[in-house]
Parts: sequence; C-alpha cells; structure tokens
Amino acid sequence: SQTIHQWPATLVQPVGSPLSLECTVEGTSNPNLYWYRQAAGRGLQLLFYSVGIGQISSEVPQNLSASRPQDRQFILSSKKLLLSDSGFYLCAWSVGLYVSTEAFFGQGTRLTVV
Amino acid sequence: EDKVVQSPLSLVVHEGDTVTLNCSYEVTNFRSLLWYKQEKKAPTFLFMLTSSGIEKKSGRLSSILDKKELFSILNITATQTGDSAVYLCAVYSSNTGKLIFGQGTTLQVKP
Repeated sequence: SQTIHQWPATLVQPVGSPLSLECTVEGTSNPNLYWYRQAAGRGLQLLFYSVGIGQISSEVPQNLSASRPQDRQFILSSKKLLLSDSGFYLCAWSVGLYVSTEAFFGQGTRLTVV
Repeated sequence: EDKVVQSPLSLVVHEGDTVTLNCSYEVTNFRSLLWYKQEKKAPTFLFMLTSSGIEKKSGRLSSILDKKELFSILNITATQTGDSAVYLCAVYSSNTGKLIFGQGTTLQVKP
C-alpha cells in the first residue's frame, strides 16, 4: 500500500535561517507531487507541483524553492526565511498525469518563523 | 487563470440542520473535482466527481457536479457537531497535473 511521510511535524525557525522540509512517498512510482501552504482557517495555496523527476512548476513567486531529486522525494527549501513564511505546510501525491484519483496528504509541518 | 471559489467562507448552524456548500471553478483541461474535510491536520478525502449530474453519496453527505455551469455542491443533512470542520474543494487539470484548492468553508455545528 502507498504511504506518504512528511517531516518534521513542527518547526520553529528564526528569521533569515534556511529551511528544508522533506516528503517521501512509498508504494507507487512516478507520482504527481505537491507542496501547499495553509494559513490559519484558510484554504490550501498551491506552492509547487511536479509530474516527474526534475520537473518543478512554481505557482507563487516567493523566497521558497522545491526540488525532486528522486522519483518519490519532494523537498521544499528556503535560503532565508521571512516572518510571512509561517504557516502549515502540506505535501501531497496523486497517481499519474492523466488519471483521476484523489490526492493523499502527509501529516503536515507547522512552521513558525520568529 | 485557474481558480476555485468556495462559498460561503464560514457557516454556523445547529445540530439537525441541512447545509449546502458551494464550489465554482475555472480551470483548463478539467479532469476531476475533489471534496475534502479538514479537522486538525491533513485533509481527509470525501468525494471525487468527474461526470455531470451523477450524485455521489456517503451517509449524510452527498455531492454533485455541473460541468456546464462549472460548479459543485456538497450537502450535509442532519448535521452533527462532529461535522464541524473546514471543507475544501479542489480541481485537477489533467494536462498539467495541477491540483488547486479553494479557500475552504469553515462549518461550525452547535449543539
């Protein structure tokens, strides 16, 4: 069966520090991968998505970046965090490009930039 | 520009009431519409809709899609306090792999 792992669960980082959040998927190959950010009580803002290794699409210009070094690994990074980067970050995966399936979510990372 | 708009943004009802949540969308190469419920952390899947006019039902929840008018509704009958959550609508574009969400509807069910 497929599982998704996202870590860490919580993170408190000072302004200007770097960030690396990792997400890995097991039990499937060539998944679509997604990074979302959620402000309190709001919907999910799509940050990045990837349909294959090395293929990253960015939705929101900002100081974040994403990479997909392996088929089932998706990393969200920043060189210097801003206060506005605080939020709840969710990683998700779905099956293939032309297949209609639900998206499966990791448990999320609550990031507080102080 | 692809977008998903949900309404209302928040709703307060009493137990036993029926609620209707709305989701309208504009997306290139529409493939499917998804509904999720989010209580604390990760959203949990409710429905996937791909065809117009076919109702999906699970217990007290049901949903339907109108691909001509580009919207979907989620109905919850005989609401319970356990239905209190954020309900999220998302639309998947098949040629890009993009999955975009609306702002969510926060539902509070009072005893």
